[in-house]
Amino acid sequence: EVQLVESGGGLVQPGGSLRLSCSDSGFTFSGYWVHWVRQSPGKGLVWVSIISGDGTVTRYADSVKGRFSISRDNAKNTLYLQMNSLRVEDSAVYYCVRDASMHMDVWGKGTTVTVSS
Amino acid sequence: QSALTQPRSVSGSPGQSVTFSCTGTSSDVGGYNYVSWYQQHPGKAPQLMIYDVTKRPSGVPNRFSGSKSGSTASLTISGLQAEDEADYYCCSFTGTDIWVFGGGTKLTVL
Repeated sequence: EVQLVESGGGLVQPGGSLRLSCSDSGFTFSGYWVHWVRQSPGKGLVWVSIISGDGTVTRYADSVKGRFSISRDNAKNTLYLQMNSLRVEDSAVYYCVRDASMHMDVWGKGTTVTVSS
Repeated sequence: QSALTQPRSVSGSPGQSVTFSCTGTSSDVGGYNYVSWYQQHPGKAPQLMIYDVTKRPSGVPNRFSGSKSGSTASLTISGLQAEDEADYYCCSFTGTDIWVFGGGTKLTVL
């Protein structure tokens, strides 16, 4: 079964850092671009970042540019999201999502990040 | 990177048809045929329902269909069923590997 599993969420103070991970199973991880998408409590989906299959191309939403960094280790079938200078408004469920040629076809269950003092 | 515009809520009775709109600009919805739709039930991860404006993934009922006119995309559900009650989000490619979602529409089945 194709699936993605996120981890690394938790409670962090404003200004702090956190690294999320996403591991896959059931498909050739390196062959796909992968997104991070977040959803604040009671709010809608917001696109955060994307990385190419080989890790050479990365893009970010304006709201996280300069603070978040996406990367991947294809040898470990793992995707990362390093989040620095965290703000209260970064609190959300973060989903790791596979891109199947310009659409998001496989979603993880998400990991929750809470930024609060 | 402004969010696409979706109505906040839509409702319909079982068996009826409902249509969700998703309005963007020539830089996103109007500029590319890469609009997708996602269904999200409470407490669950989103699920792909439509991609490339009109295509349905395997396993999605043919009651779900998509279309686009100019900078507005639409999702139509025909033969509404109780289990269709959920939030629906549109998403569009905007060029240079950047993506944008709509704010979401809550569907209530009366």
